[in-house]
Amino acid sequence: GDSVTQMEGPVTLSEEAFLTINCTYTATGYPSLFWYVQYPGEGLQLLLKATKADDKGSNKGFEATYRKETTSFHLEKGSVQVSDSAVYFCALSDSIGGKLIFGQGTELSVKP
Amino acid sequence: GAGVSQSPSNKVTEKGKDVELRCDPISGHTALYWYRQSLGQGLEFLIYFQGNSAPDKSGLPSDRFSAERTGGSVSTLTIQRTQQEDSAVYLCASSYWTGGREAFFGQGTRLTVV
Repeated sequence: GDSVTQMEGPVTLSEEAFLTINCTYTATGYPSLFWYVQYPGEGLQLLLKATKADDKGSNKGFEATYRKETTSFHLEKGSVQVSDSAVYFCALSDSIGGKLIFGQGTELSVKP
Repeated sequence: GAGVSQSPSNKVTEKGKDVELRCDPISGHTALYWYRQSLGQGLEFLIYFQGNSAPDKSGLPSDRFSAERTGGSVSTLTIQRTQQEDSAVYLCASSYWTGGREAFFGQGTRLTVV
């Protein structure tokens, strides 16, 4: 079945460092891809998405490009802030049923 | 309502008791999901409802777990004969069909089995 694999955390960075969180997927068909974020004490919310190959999703300085050839959707940010500390989840939604499948989440901690 | 509403927000129950968790999705959303998030763990898929189709129950961990969605709106997740390992945050989400649409999450129900 469809699945999502993320790099394991926790990831600890200093403020203004470059961030990459790797995400790869296995799916039949043409899924849509998402990054969700869960800030401390808050619910999950959508960070960005891409619905077809080569699309780039972006929001709040974060970016991710849908790479069909490598089945990847890596999350990047050029300069992280303390306020970016959160748990990040990669997810896919298959093109037929729409079922949403999540990776295991990656905890990011940004130190001043 | 404006968002996905879950109740109760917290539930403490004794081992062996049954519990019911409720989810009110966003009006008009045809897809509804239940997930479980244990402490320090990721999101475990439980069940998925999509319109009038048969639900995808492939994530339910045992036959003690069941869920229904009445009238295509409100959903109830029932856990019978609760065990300590059922302690977790239970999250509900809803979205428009189809894939590619954003899923909106509720704040969750924190279940503690003592």
